[in-house]
Amino acid sequence: GAGVSQSPSNKVTEKGKDVELRCDPISGHTALYWYRQSLGQGLEFLIYFQGNSAPDKSGLPSDRFSAERTGGSVSTLTIQRTQQEDSAVYLCASSHGQGLSMGANVLTFGAGSRLTVL
Amino acid sequence: RKEVEQDPGPFNVPEGATVAFNCTYSNSASQSFFWYRQDCRKEPKLLMSVYSSGNEDGRFTAQLNRASQYISLLIRDSKLSDSATYLCVVNPRYNFNKFYFGSGTKLNVKP
Repeated sequence: GAGVSQSPSNKVTEKGKDVELRCDPISGHTALYWYRQSLGQGLEFLIYFQGNSAPDKSGLPSDRFSAERTGGSVSTLTIQRTQQEDSAVYLCASSHGQGLSMGANVLTFGAGSRLTVL
Repeated sequence: RKEVEQDPGPFNVPEGATVAFNCTYSNSASQSFFWYRQDCRKEPKLLMSVYSSGNEDGRFTAQLNRASQYISLLIRDSKLSDSATYLCVVNPRYNFNKFYFGSGTKLNVKP
């Protein structure tokens, strides 16, 4: 697509429920990133995909968080047994990820999924 | 030590003022540099890439100083609409797909 699409834009859930957040990157972008941003805070890196593989998942805060990417395109971030501290905006970004010969590796962000855990 | 450091501000300036932000990075092997703008409750958006020779886009000028390991952003003739948080982003040479974000500098332009 023309931009990075994320859904849902807003999600309110009860503590203990599982949630899935979806990201559809820019067509042709091989690199996909998930970040988390709590209110008034900076960006917190969660995980990075190159194609369908995740060479860097060092930012996932606990084993309740997982992510997958299929077909080198859409990615899903799953949070199991949500806690109140999981409340944040979850941002997805993509980049061409294919080396400097393709030009600077610029990140483009989606509008985010705002998660509220009651 | 953080990979990228920024003064959080806020910088409160009147309309029409010139304001400059600096951002320091710790890894001399950094390859690419960017300034992003983030409005309140919105996603970050690319403002401009920073080139070695420095570059300008309208009222915005970005500079890179590799010797001192900092980049700067200069905004001339500030507008109310420039009020936002400005994020410095660094992409290292040793890992093309790694990005380090500063925590952002908040700018408030007042009438």
